[in-house]
Amino acid sequence: AQSVTQLGSHVSVSEGALVLLRCNYSSSVPPYLFWYVQYPNQGLQLLLKYTSAATLVKGINGFEAEFKKSETSFHLTKPSAHMSDAAEYFCAVTGRSSASKIIFGSGTRLSIRP
Amino acid sequence: EPEVTQTPSHQVTQMGQEVILRCVPISNHLYFYWYRQILGQKVEFLVSFYNNEISEKSEIFDDQFSVERPDGSNFTLKIRSTKLEDSAMYFCASSEGTAYNEQFFGPGTRLTVL
Repeated sequence: AQSVTQLGSHVSVSEGALVLLRCNYSSSVPPYLFWYVQYPNQGLQLLLKYTSAATLVKGINGFEAEFKKSETSFHLTKPSAHMSDAAEYFCAVTGRSSASKIIFGSGTRLSIRP
Repeated sequence: EPEVTQTPSHQVTQMGQEVILRCVPISNHLYFYWYRQILGQKVEFLVSFYNNEISEKSEIFDDQFSVERPDGSNFTLKIRSTKLEDSAMYFCASSEGTAYNEQFFGPGTRLTVL
């Protein structure tokens, strides 16, 4: 079985500060991991994905995430927060078969203080 | 850039009524999915579909739900007799079925059951 746990349902940072959103996964097989962003009243947009090529994955909008197998973590970071980063962020995991479902974490709402 | 589209964007219905949510997946994709997100909660998998058959379904996907690919482009989710608790955002997704199974999500249909 696979699952993801996002630590912190709400994170607030100042504009220009480091963003760190935490995600831990559980998987009995090598996972594929994703971070999705959801802006208010919009759908899901893929930020980045880990598919076992490189442990440090760079995504859109300056975000990156590092896969750490020893810690079963896939935390999302951005060096300098921007007001436009305010959104809900979902960590997700899927298996490697073609029709594998995506299992989402409970989400972390990121707020940016001016 | 190809994208998944969904109609309608918002559907309001009375409890007990049937609703059909429509999706047009990306044209060369072979795998199709429905997910739902109850307001304020995480995104949950409902069903996956491949080769005109259900590949996997969750426990949420009971006898009140059905999916169909009536032609070469549309992928539909039918709820036969809606309940208040069916109120949610419903997302359609599709994928090529490649090794890392990237799923592309539509913008969602917000279903409100009164």
